[in-house]
Amino acid sequence: DAKTTQPPSMDCAEGRAANLPCNHSTISGNEYVYWYRQIHSQGPQYIIHGLKNNETNEMASLIITEDRKSSTLILPHATLRDTAVYYCIVRSGMNRDDKIIFGKGTRLHILP
Amino acid sequence: NAGVMQNPRHLVRRRGQEARLRCSPMKGHSHVYWYRQLPEEGLKFMVYLQKENIIDESGMPKERFSAEFPKEGPSILRIQQVVRGDSAAYFCASSPRGTGNNEKLFFGSGTQLSVL
Repeated sequence: DAKTTQPPSMDCAEGRAANLPCNHSTISGNEYVYWYRQIHSQGPQYIIHGLKNNETNEMASLIITEDRKSSTLILPHATLRDTAVYYCIVRSGMNRDDKIIFGKGTRLHILP
Repeated sequence: NAGVMQNPRHLVRRRGQEARLRCSPMKGHSHVYWYRQLPEEGLKFMVYLQKENIIDESGMPKERFSAEFPKEGPSILRIQQVVRGDSAAYFCASSPRGTGNNEKLFFGSGTQLSVL
């Protein structure tokens, strides 16, 4: 699976959009971009994933650049409950090596 | 549809005792993954099981640790002769077909193991 690079931490004011970047310059054509988050002391939670088109669900939007070398997770109206570590993961949908490897992620602080 | 259930939520053991951590996957899920998270560190993959089979145990220590997922009942992560370094949060996740099929993982709330 391709390697990802994320900033270690970010701050965002409550009510604003939180934009979390992820670089994955070695991504290959069949690899998806996944986002999970882990709120303190809880198990990780799936947020969204995409291949090349932008995706949106009730939690967030995922914007993938045209060359697919980077992406941005957008939380449109951040709340205090969005304070968490956000993990960007790139992996093949057809990978026989089934485990998901979590990196260090981005620690997002939502400020009141 | 209940989520992934882990118990106990907190487990305290003395050095040398055994720890058994249980994980009931979501209904209809036959793939289970165990992860360990040491204090202030990231999630580390330990083992991936599919009903009655260990598929990948590359992240599990060779000694004292074992995992099973029987045909009936929950998945069990067993740690024998625990040491203080085993103190961590242990998370279980499940998926219906395995993440190699582009499936997402559903995580439980974890078991916090404390070794005295």
